[in-house]
Amino acid sequence: GAGVSQSPRYKVAKRGQDVALRCDPISGHVSLFWYQQALGQGPEFLTYFQNEAQLDKSGLPSDRFFAERPEGSVSTLKIQRTQQEDSAVYLCASSLGLRRGRDWTQYFGPGTRLLVL
Amino acid sequence: KNEVEQSPQNLTAQEGEFITINCSYSVGISALHWLQQHPGGGIVSLFMLSSGKKKHGRLIATINIQEKHSSLHITASHPRDSAVYICAVLSTNAGKSTFGDGTTLTVKP
Repeated sequence: GAGVSQSPRYKVAKRGQDVALRCDPISGHVSLFWYQQALGQGPEFLTYFQNEAQLDKSGLPSDRFFAERPEGSVSTLKIQRTQQEDSAVYLCASSLGLRRGRDWTQYFGPGTRLLVL
Repeated sequence: KNEVEQSPQNLTAQEGEFITINCSYSVGISALHWLQQHPGGGIVSLFMLSSGKKKHGRLIATINIQEKHSSLHITASHPRDSAVYICAVLSTNAGKSTFGDGTTLTVKP
């Protein structure tokens, strides 16, 4: 497919378990973004990559959250020792990210719904 | 979170009505993004704009940089327009986005 894909779509974890969420951006997209969306709220920024470089990780809520994009394409968001408050939808988006205006448009994946019990 | 405020929070309209959703922000931005999210569905980009006005079909988005305000208009609304509409502002380096909490629109037939 041509869109952003995320896996798994749903994840149930026991409190304390580590989880890894994967994002496959649109081919050729330079920028990749991770967001967290709690029920009934707008997304919250977590982190962003330009190619393999993580340029901003100011939104990561704690040191239990870690994101990587080692080859500048696929990205993984890892959450260690999950807590109940980590339950949310985790959204990934990508953009061409090179020129003004249209190329900054972000294309969103379907999200991974994480439930921590 | 107060950096981006949307109004109204909820909006119910009759089919055919003209809809306006407002977004105000308090930070410097490089661009503003209007997004649509259907219940249980993914997020779709409607517009990204940094000045003036854009139109796509029945949707129109405007932005006033000096007043730090943007509006999304829907003409001749239809029940399939029912969704959450989210405003997001991109920081001056186009990296970090700050989102509003969304406006839930319900269009009744």
